[in-house]
Amino acid sequence: DQQVKQNSPSLSVQEGRISILNCDYTNSMFDYFLWYKKYPAEGPTFLISISSIKDKNEDGRFTVFLNKSAKHLSLHIVPSQPGDSAVYFCAAKGLARAGSYQLTFGKGTKLSVIP
Amino acid sequence: DAGITQSPRHKVTETGTPVTLRCHQTENHRYMYWYRQDPGHGLRLIHYSYGVKDTDKGEVSDGYSVSRSKTEDFLLTLESATSSQTSVYFCAIKKASGRAGNTGELFFGEGSRLTVL
Repeated sequence: DQQVKQNSPSLSVQEGRISILNCDYTNSMFDYFLWYKKYPAEGPTFLISISSIKDKNEDGRFTVFLNKSAKHLSLHIVPSQPGDSAVYFCAAKGLARAGSYQLTFGKGTKLSVIP
Repeated sequence: DAGITQSPRHKVTETGTPVTLRCHQTENHRYMYWYRQDPGHGLRLIHYSYGVKDTDKGEVSDGYSVSRSKTEDFLLTLESATSSQTSVYFCAIKKASGRAGNTGELFFGEGSRLTVL
């Protein structure tokens, strides 16, 4: 049962335009949502997060929107740059056993920004 | 930089052989994780540790074991490697304080690429 879903495996966008990456989740107990960026041959790196009690968080060119009623979040990148070309993972923080926390990841969306 | 080192970074082995991947951290964090990344599957949690000798299973733990005998090292062992375990393995740590203390943000190592022939 996939709790975090990224239904678009890939996305191509022209440089300077907006990139919108989508993510859906099923577990209403998640309390934080995160976006990670991953370049080939590197580990994933944190990009931006949002608390479940917020509906928007902005950091420079990156904005994450959360729609709790729809269990949907999206990452907007404006303007898109060629260096943004990477795989983007949506992740959700939930309670694991033994009182610890874990992140559940989606399958990722490969963004290609065309110069 | 979260001071995470994974070794080996690349390994090719044969089916049926044992393999151990090592994750070493320099900052004394309590929580450590092993994920695997596969095309079409994203990042999936294998095992995690919440302290020395305290470990628990993730969603894809079959065929893997882990050990944490000291804070800085978290070992992932494939007792008898199979071709389905060909993957890129990422170690991660969770910082207890700051932003990460709330968000659950993980810091990842650079990955270990394992090929099982």
